[in-house]
Parts: sequence; C-alpha cells; structure tokens
Amino acid sequence: NAGVTQTPKFRILKIGQSMTLQCTQDMNHNYMYWYRQDPGMGLKLIYYSVGAGITDKGEVPNGYNVSRSTTEDFPLRLELAAPSQTSVYFCASSLTQDTQYFGPGTRLTVL
Amino acid sequence: ILNVEQSPQSLHVQEGDSTNFTCSFPSSNFYALHWYRWETAKSPEALFVMTLNGDEKKKGRISATLNTKEGYSYLYIKGSQPEDSATYLCGRVKGNKLVFGAGTILRVKS
Repeated sequence: NAGVTQTPKFRILKIGQSMTLQCTQDMNHNYMYWYRQDPGMGLKLIYYSVGAGITDKGEVPNGYNVSRSTTEDFPLRLELAAPSQTSVYFCASSLTQDTQYFGPGTRLTVL
Repeated sequence: ILNVEQSPQSLHVQEGDSTNFTCSFPSSNFYALHWYRWETAKSPEALFVMTLNGDEKKKGRISATLNTKEGYSYLYIKGSQPEDSATYLCGRVKGNKLVFGAGTILRVKS
C-alpha cells in the first residue's frame, strides 16, 4: 500500500511554461484534494474532487485546472506558470470527510 | 469567528514543559474538526478527528478537547520533547472540504 504518491518531487519552471503535477492514491478513496503551502498561512485548498468525474474549486483555483477520470488519479495542471505559483503542493485523499492522507509534496519554483 | 484561527502563531518551550494551543472556528453548522501534525519537510499527519461537543481524545502525550457550542478546541502536549517540534494544524470540515487555520509552530529546546 503506497498511500498517496506525487510526482515530480521538485520542478523548476520558467514563466509561461505549463506542467502537470501527478497524484495517485491506492486506498480506493473517493475524496481527493490539492493544496498549496503558503508561508505563514498553512494550507490553502486549490481544487477537490468527491469522486471520478466530479471536481470543485477550492479557495485559490485561479491559474490551475484539474481532472478526475479515475478514482486513483487526480492531476493538477498549471497552464501558464507565474512566480506567484512558486510553492509546495500537496495532494491528499480521504474516504469521505474524515482523516485526510497526504502525499509527500511537490516543490515548484517558477522563475 | 468567520474563519479558522489558531493561536499562538508560534511557541518556544523547554524540553519537559507542558504546553497547549487553541483552534477557534465558527460554531454554526458544525460537523467535525481535524488536528494534524506537520513536521518540517514532511507531509501533514492526522492526529485527531473530533465530532462531538465535549469530546476528548488522546494519543500518547498529546490530547485534545472540543467545545462546539463556543467554537474552540485545545491541543495539549504533556512533557514536550524535541521530536514534538512541528506545526500543528487544525481544520474545520465545511461541506466536502477542510478549511485549515494557519497553524501553530512549536519549537521544543533540549
């Protein structure tokens, strides 16, 4: 049981480039989430999904897109990277609104 | 209280001290409150999920209480150890998501 896995672990992007952050869970969880870690502000929710085919915006969705075609996968897409998107990104999953299990994070720098 | 607020923002204690911090949240339409422990360069890990007013949960030297009527939860650490150094996050369930506070950073000096 790998839990929640994220790739890549680190990435440096140039302004305007695009990339997809991958997230996979093998716990058959219905709910999946993407957060970003902002210094002094804890975790901010970007997007979440309560099941395959269903996604919803969180607190800070601008500049990001998601899809949920399978229960296991919840990729996060950055279309036009901006310096303000420099952050550590965490994916998490849960069965319902109970305990969330977090992945190891992706550290993204936009220069 | 409109959002989830945690206090203090940071705390420095000596090894062996007991400490506590607060999570305040909107008390209306309460469903559940989560506590997570987040070590530097790691991922948040769940400590407690609390749902009932008056709930008290314990894991080793860490315990938490919940007051849903007045909208607060306390996290206590008894006999702090250097390995307790972390950010402690609380999050209130709102619909299908968690709204987190900014966290309390705890540093325990040996």
